[in-house]
Formats: sequence, structure tokens, C-alpha cells
Amino acid sequence: AQTVTQSQPEMSVQEAETVTLSCTYDTSESNYYLFWYKQPPSRQMILVIRQEAYKQQNATENRFSVNFQKAAKSFSLKISDSQLGDTAMYFCAFTLMDSNYQLIWGAGTKLIIKP
Amino acid sequence: DAGVTQSPTHLIKTRGQHVTLRCSPISGHKSVSWYQQVLGQGPQFIFQYYEKEERGRGNFPDRFSARQFPNYSSELNVNALLLGDSALYLCASSLLAGNTEAFFGQGTRLTVV
Repeated sequence: AQTVTQSQPEMSVQEAETVTLSCTYDTSESNYYLFWYKQPPSRQMILVIRQEAYKQQNATENRFSVNFQKAAKSFSLKISDSQLGDTAMYFCAFTLMDSNYQLIWGAGTKLIIKP
Repeated sequence: DAGVTQSPTHLIKTRGQHVTLRCSPISGHKSVSWYQQVLGQGPQFIFQYYEKEERGRGNFPDRFSARQFPNYSSELNVNALLLGDSALYLCASSLLAGNTEAFFGQGTRLTVV
């Protein structure tokens, strides 16, 4: 079975600090995409960053970067220079490159940025 | 450009009733997926439709059904509502069948009493 585990239910850091959210996943497949989504109180899921499993280079998007360790099945998200607007639930997810294409999600990490 | 729109935003239903949730994808997107997010949990996949055909189904009972229309909008129907169906229902649209870049609506909050 495909699973995603986020071991940190809640984290809080001071504004401008760097924070890392952890994610591990389990699949026997080799072709997949990994994602981090942000869900603010408005409820809308917003894509933060995406990583193709066949790419060794870690994805980056401005203040957001990932540490992708394929052998360890680990996909952590680093947020640099954290801002108050980063406060939200963060979900790790992946999708297999098959005909189903469903997103498989972790339980989420609540991130609080303190002023 | 309009994003993914879902309606209604909130609704309250009684056990045993039926509910229809609606989703309009981003213009040009041909794939719609439905997810159920119970409070405090990550979303669970319900259905994916692409070009009006069902491409995937999650582990949900037959009380859940969906369809996609020629304009690519979609409906999710739930019959014989149970208290456990109370959740946020999310719709995601993507250009093609693969959810490699899925855009989500703000969801419909369903409360079953």
C-alpha cells in the first residue's frame, strides 16, 4: 500500500527563522511525483513545490526548497526566512505515474509563524 | 482567469438525505478529481474523471458517485448520508489526466446532522 507519513503534527518558529517539515513515503514504484501543499484557513490547497522522482536535483521555489532522498523515501520541506503568511497546514503528497493519478496524502503539519 | 469553483461552500444535511456537490474546473482543464478531507486528516481520493470518463476510484462505498459533463464541470453525489460523511470535499482540476499540477477549489464543507 502507498502511504505518506508526516511525523510532526505541529511546529512553531519565530518570524524570519528557517523551519524544516518532515515527510516519508512508501511505494514500490519508481516513477512518481512528490508535492508539498499549503492549506491556509481559507481551506484552498495551494501547491508549494513539486519534485519529479527521476530528477536528482532538489526542487526550489524562492524561499521553499526540498531535500529529496529517494533511497530513504524522504521528502522534507525547508522554509527560509519564514513569514507570518506561511502560517498554515502543510501536506506532503505523491502521485504515481499510472492511469489512476490519485494524490496520496499525509496527515499534515500545522505550522505557526510567531511575530 | 477564474480558478476552480465549487458550490455550495457550506451545507447542512440530515442523515439519510442525498447531496450533490458541484465543481467547475479551470478553463481548458479536462480532468477533475474529488477528495474527502475529514477534520484533522489529509484528503482521501474519491474519484478522477478525464474527458467525461471515470479514470480512478478510491475506497469509498457505492453511495458515492460522480459524473463529468461535456463542459468538463463535475458533480459528486452522495446518497443515504451518514454522520461520518461530514467533511470538506475538495475538487481539483488539471489540464490532463495526470495530477502533476492540480489546482484546488476552496471546497464544500458538508455537515451531516
